[in-house]
Amino acid sequence: AQSVTQLGSHVSVSEGALVLLRCNYSSSVPPYLFWYVQYPNQGLQLLLKYTSAATLVKGINGFEAEFKKSETSFHLTKPSAHMSDAAEYFCAVTFNTGGFKTIFGAGTRLFVKA
Amino acid sequence: DVKVTQSSRYLVKRTGEKVFLECVQDMDHENMFWYRQDPGLGLRLIYFSYDVKMKEKGDIPEGYSVSREKKERFSLILESASTNQTSMYLCASSSRAGVTDTQYFGPGTRLTVL
Repeated sequence: AQSVTQLGSHVSVSEGALVLLRCNYSSSVPPYLFWYVQYPNQGLQLLLKYTSAATLVKGINGFEAEFKKSETSFHLTKPSAHMSDAAEYFCAVTFNTGGFKTIFGAGTRLFVKA
Repeated sequence: DVKVTQSSRYLVKRTGEKVFLECVQDMDHENMFWYRQDPGLGLRLIYFSYDVKMKEKGDIPEGYSVSREKKERFSLILESASTNQTSMYLCASSSRAGVTDTQYFGPGTRLTVL
């Protein structure tokens, strides 16, 4: 069965520090991976996505993620956190199993301290 | 820019009422989705539609129905609202049934059932 796990429902970092949000998936078919961000009182918007073209994916606002098949992971990183990065982040995986299905992780809320 | 709008940001209803949540997208997308978002559970798919008058059940369709009479509009219906349907409801659309396609989300409707 396919699943997505985000480790840590809350992550707190200081402004300027490294941001690392973890995502692991389980799949018997090739996965297509996404990170979405949700700012307060808004819907989700795409940060970046892995589509098998390159394992290191760069997204908006300085975020990037690396697909590691051996570790079944797609962790999101940003070298230097900014106050405006405070939001909830969702990892999502789409599988092609005849039709296609997207599963979202439970989300990780990022807090950025001044 | 793709725009997905939802009819209400906040809604308060009483148990047993029939509730309509409306979603409109302006980019001629084939696919539309309804999710509910609950803390610690991420997004769970209620229903989706890949064409006018077509619908497919998602992971949690019980207590809900949908209607898609026009390509740009996808309605979620709670036939008889219950307190356990208090949640944030998110509508999304995407351009085709590809596994790498981005979903575009509306701002959400926070529904409270008393």
